[in-house]
Amino acid sequence: KQEVTQIPAALSVPEGENLVLNCSFTDSAIYNLQWFRQDPGKGLTSLLLIQSSQREQTSGRLNASLDKSSGRSTLYIAASQPGDSATYLCAVLFSGGYNKLIFGAGTRLAVHP
Amino acid sequence: EPEVTQTPSHQVTQMGQEVILRCVPISNHLYFYWYRQILGQKVEFLVSFYNNEISEKSEIFDDQFSVERPDGSNFTLKIRSTKLEDSAMYFCASRPAIGYEQYFGPGTRLTVT
Repeated sequence: KQEVTQIPAALSVPEGENLVLNCSFTDSAIYNLQWFRQDPGKGLTSLLLIQSSQREQTSGRLNASLDKSSGRSTLYIAASQPGDSATYLCAVLFSGGYNKLIFGAGTRLAVHP
Repeated sequence: EPEVTQTPSHQVTQMGQEVILRCVPISNHLYFYWYRQILGQKVEFLVSFYNNEISEKSEIFDDQFSVERPDGSNFTLKIRSTKLEDSAMYFCASRPAIGYEQYFGPGTRLTVT
């Protein structure tokens, strides 16, 4: 069964810390992997998309890496700010299941001043 | 930048009533999706739609659900007889013919009382 797991489920850090969120997936045959941000009760904001042929993508203070062979992706947030507080979701488009994204349960991040 | 839009943002309905959730995908996109997220749970795939027919559906998408593209711009999800457990955030997504990145709408929060 194709599954996506995110660790940790929750994280609380002081402002300014660099942090890493982890995503693992059960099948290395993927088309792409996407990281989303979700604020409480709100929609999904796409942060980064990594194609299966890429190793990493960067946007501002965010850097996402992909290691297909080990079934892992990490989202690195540099110099965290209270405004980064949200839930971060990892979603994978598996090969053969090109119609649907499989989502992880998310990491709930709290950055305190 | 083009966006996927959804209406209404919040719908409250009584158990047993029919609801129609509406989405306007990005204009040149050809593939359309519905996902849902029950409060506190993962985002789950419901159905994908291409060339005026369902291309894939999940186990959740039973006979109570239907999708339609009634004209060139709207994409709708109908729930015929709502149950309490249908209460969730429903997300519409679309993607173009080339590339597999899905673009999500802001969601409709459905509350069944």
